[in-house]
Amino acid sequence: AQTVTQSQPEMSVQEAETVTLSCTYDTSESNYYLFWYKQPPSRQMILVIRQEAYKQQNATENRFSVNFQKAAKSFSLKISDSQLGDTAMYFCAFSSPGTYKYIFGTGTRLKVLA
Amino acid sequence: ETGVTQTPRHLVMGMTNKKSLKCEQHLGHNAMYWYKQSAKKPLELMFVYSLEERVENNSVPSRFSPECPNSSHLFLHLHTLQPEDSALYLCASSPSRDSSFYGYTFGSGTRLTVV
Repeated sequence: AQTVTQSQPEMSVQEAETVTLSCTYDTSESNYYLFWYKQPPSRQMILVIRQEAYKQQNATENRFSVNFQKAAKSFSLKISDSQLGDTAMYFCAFSSPGTYKYIFGTGTRLKVLA
Repeated sequence: ETGVTQTPRHLVMGMTNKKSLKCEQHLGHNAMYWYKQSAKKPLELMFVYSLEERVENNSVPSRFSPECPNSSHLFLHLHTLQPEDSALYLCASSPSRDSSFYGYTFGSGTRLTVV
């Protein structure tokens, strides 16, 4: 069975600095999708970035980028130029193609300090 | 209104009450989901509806009863809940039930407290 582990329950970063959130997963599949979701205090989870396992190139969305290490089964999220609005819970998630099931991690609470 | 809308935002209910949570989406999605979010635990998938047909009931106690009258609306009927059912209940939708690449669109959830 697939598992997703986020080993950092809480993190903080100074505004304008860079922070990296860790995620590891376990699967025997060769193709799959990985996601980072953000849940701000408003509670609505928002898709931040996604990665297809068969793509070597790391996904990037503006200030958000991932470091996808397939062999190590690692999928970290880097937030550059952190902003106060980045304060949120961040969830890493795994999904297999052609299904509706997602495996979520337990989340990392990120606080951006002014 | 666009996106996924959930009502009410907060709900406090006694263990003998009956209440319902409502979810509405205007995205043209064909699949809708109920998740339970508890502190320090991964999100738990409760129910999945695809084209108004329930395709998954993930070992959820019968005190939770879902209803999907059409592809835009999803309800979660609650009765005789327990204090451990207190959690954030999230509704989500996706274009179809096999469109995992696109991810979900989530609502803002209903914070349920059972007293």
